[in-house]
Amino acid sequence: GNSVTQMEGPVTLSEEAFLTINCTYTATGYPSLFWYVQYPGEGLQLLLKATKADDKGSNKGFEATYRKETTSFHLEKGSVQVSDSAVYFCALRSTGGGNKLTFGTGTQLKVEL
Amino acid sequence: DVKVTQSSRYLVKRTGEKVFLECVQDMDHENMFWYRQDPGLGLRLIYFSYDVKMKEKGDIPEGYSVSREKKERFSLILESASTNQTSMYLCASRQAGVMETQYFGPGTRLLVL
Repeated sequence: GNSVTQMEGPVTLSEEAFLTINCTYTATGYPSLFWYVQYPGEGLQLLLKATKADDKGSNKGFEATYRKETTSFHLEKGSVQVSDSAVYFCALRSTGGGNKLTFGTGTQLKVEL
Repeated sequence: DVKVTQSSRYLVKRTGEKVFLECVQDMDHENMFWYRQDPGLGLRLIYFSYDVKMKEKGDIPEGYSVSREKKERFSLILESASTNQTSMYLCASRQAGVMETQYFGPGTRLLVL
């Protein structure tokens, strides 16, 4: 079946530090990959997505590249801000999974001044 | 602007009570979903619906039922609430189609005493 594995948190960084949150997946078919973000007290919002191998999704300074050879979709940002503090979820959607989203367990990011 | 609303942000119920969680979307989306979110487990799909009066079990349907009488509204029902159903419940909706973005509501934090 489909599964997503994320690095465990919390990840604590100083402002302007470089961020990487690792995500690897197992899926049937050719999945689309997503990063969602959940700010405190809110629901999830789509951050970025990639629908085929070697695609790069980007938004708000965040980037992730769909690597089929390593089944990975790591999230990166060059310089984090305090306002980036949130929980980040990696997810996939595969036609083999009935078009449903499968989520990772989430990684909490804390950015300090 | 896309909007998914949930009837309550916080709810406290007693063991054995029947609990209704309501979700409404204003985007004319065909697909609607109910998840629960627990620390260390991420989001797990309870039930989903592809259209009015249609429903399918997700990964953890036990102890829950759903109702979709109108396209914009998807209700989650806890027939007899138990303490292990204390959780954050997230509703989502999406237009039909593999590439469509899924939109989430703000969540309902349910405490069962």
